[in-house]
Amino acid sequence: DAGITQSPRHKVTETGTPVTLRCHQTENHRYMYWYRQDPGHGLRLIHYSYGVKDTDKGEVSDGYSVSRSKTEDFLLTLESATSSQTSVYFCAISLRTGFTYEQYFGPGTRLTVT
Amino acid sequence: EDQVTQSPEALRLQEGESSSLNCSYTVSGLRGLFWYRQDPGKGPEFLFTLYSAGEEKEKERLKATLTKKESFLHITAPKPEDSATYLCAVQAVQAGNNRKLIWGLGTSLAVNP
Repeated sequence: DAGITQSPRHKVTETGTPVTLRCHQTENHRYMYWYRQDPGHGLRLIHYSYGVKDTDKGEVSDGYSVSRSKTEDFLLTLESATSSQTSVYFCAISLRTGFTYEQYFGPGTRLTVT
Repeated sequence: EDQVTQSPEALRLQEGESSSLNCSYTVSGLRGLFWYRQDPGKGPEFLFTLYSAGEEKEKERLKATLTKKESFLHITAPKPEDSATYLCAVQAVQAGNNRKLIWGLGTSLAVNP
């Protein structure tokens, strides 16, 4: 258990509304990631952060923004939700072990955009 | 292009029937290969890291092996509780400081009692 929580765990929202998902970690990890997981596409990286106020885009960042004002919190915002953003969202942290970096995941947020 | 391919997509076994899952990868410089287990409605759970060809790791009924082009997850005498989706990911040396992983689509394993 890497001490990662996500909130909310489930959310239903309407097209065009803004949505913010929160990832919280308790162990002061520097790197944090947001993924989405969809059937047939697997896990895809949306954005990641390598420190407070330091973020960068992943492979599917369009329509998403992130913020990290404290080490422990990484927020993912859908500025104007669309049905194509219906998905399961996972947050992860990165831990150095030996020569590489392992990722550990939160429990996920299931988002439905109607 | 770096990529990870897992096979088969789905596998159904009888309890006690051993088998292997495959993860083949193409990456210019492997920093690490990772196996995860994912249960329905949950986040991926870390299982193993493998660094170099010839390396093996074991945990209960699972054994992961690595060659220069692929990794196998061997499941010996599986039980119904081993039913899950197994994900493979690699990290390239070129990932550098972003530590990004390249993910396969997973193998869905069902073990019947």
